[in-house]
Amino acid sequence: GIQVEQSPPDLILQEGANSTLRCNFSDSVNNLQWFHQNPWGQLINLFYIPSGTKQNGRLSATTVATERYSLLYISSSQTTDSGVYFCAVEGGSYIPTFGRGTSLIVHP
Amino acid sequence: SQTIHQWPATLVQPVGSPLSLECTVEGTSNPNLYWYRQAAGRGLQLLFYSVGIGQISSEVPQNLSASRPQDRQFILSSKKLLLSDSGFYLCAWSYRYEQYFGPGTRLTVT
Repeated sequence: GIQVEQSPPDLILQEGANSTLRCNFSDSVNNLQWFHQNPWGQLINLFYIPSGTKQNGRLSATTVATERYSLLYISSSQTTDSGVYFCAVEGGSYIPTFGRGTSLIVHP
Repeated sequence: SQTIHQWPATLVQPVGSPLSLECTVEGTSNPNLYWYRQAAGRGLQLLFYSVGIGQISSEVPQNLSASRPQDRQFILSSKKLLLSDSGFYLCAWSYRYEQYFGPGTRLTVT
């Protein structure tokens, strides 16, 4: 199956800093999503982005499908951005493959 | 709009007791449904998925089973819980491409 690697595994920032999270995948994918898991465990959809670039407020994402990676940018980070960020890809079945996530802590 | 419900939110059960977790989806028809488990250390493990009523695929052989008695209902069960069944259980649905998660059930087996 498709392998998904996320980096870095852990990230600590001061409020206001910018960051880039990376998701590498081992094969062609049809779908790619970014999720944020908040401290209460809820997984929130951030982006559905199998290719191209999207922006939503302080967050943006870019997927370069031909090179098998996706990037999630967080600008002017806030304490509410803390949590774990997951990348999930799907290569033609109904079964997404998740990376192990990037744990982000934003200090005030 | 679509909504996904899970209950209970938390559960403490003794070893050897049965388990039933329920997940329902509103606002969509014929969704794909999924059960995941997340142990401490954050990885998401897919347990079961279903593409239709009565159609269940198991990804990991274990002490659990799943059923889909109605189009928008997905149930996770166990006859006898093990300590290793403790974790955070998440139900999800998808239609076409995007996947959406419920609030989860935190299960502690004592």
